[in-house]
Amino acid sequence: NAGVTQTPKFRVLKTGQSMTLLCAQDMNHEYMYWYRQDPGMGLRLIHYSVGEGTTAKGEVPDGYNVSRLKKQNFLLGLESAAPSQTSVYFCASSPPLAKQETQYFGPGTRLLVL
Amino acid sequence: GENVEQHPSTLSVQEGDSAVIKCTYSDSASNYFPWYKQELGKGPQLIIDIRSNVGEKKDQRIAVTLNKTAKHFSLHITETQPEDSAVYFCAASKGSNYQLIWGAGTKLIIKP
Repeated sequence: NAGVTQTPKFRVLKTGQSMTLLCAQDMNHEYMYWYRQDPGMGLRLIHYSVGEGTTAKGEVPDGYNVSRLKKQNFLLGLESAAPSQTSVYFCASSPPLAKQETQYFGPGTRLLVL
Repeated sequence: GENVEQHPSTLSVQEGDSAVIKCTYSDSASNYFPWYKQELGKGPQLIIDIRSNVGEKKDQRIAVTLNKTAKHFSLHITETQPEDSAVYFCAASKGSNYQLIWGAGTKLIIKP
């Protein structure tokens, strides 16, 4: 099992450009999450999904969109990147039922917006 | 809104000594409290967790204590080793929800 993987590992964008971050998990998890991590602020939830075809807003959703067309994939889109979106992005997934709070993280995507 | 406060932000201890990190949460409905370790360049990894019906849980050199009345929980690492150097995050479940509210993190430095 590869666990949770993220693509790409690093990306530089110019203000106004768009991009999609891909998260994939091979653990058959129901729930998936996108976080951003900024220095001194811990992890902030952007969007999450409780199953294929469903998504919901988290704490800081503005400027981002997501899609969960397949159970194993969760995509995070930036339509028009801004310097404030410079961050490290982490995807996580968790199993259903009794252990749904335990989240398994990917290695992260470092994004720099100039 | 709900929040989790974590202290200290940086902790430096001598190898072999103990380290304690403390968190306070605000949501009375929180019932699950995990601790994650994040090494440089990697994603956070769960190291121990505790549920509200338990006051303490141990796993070798790591232990977590929970005081629901005071709404705080702590991570204890004994006999610290160089590989314990990392950033540690506490979190609390958001009510009965599967979301987590995260602390800001503690950078633990183990001095040789």
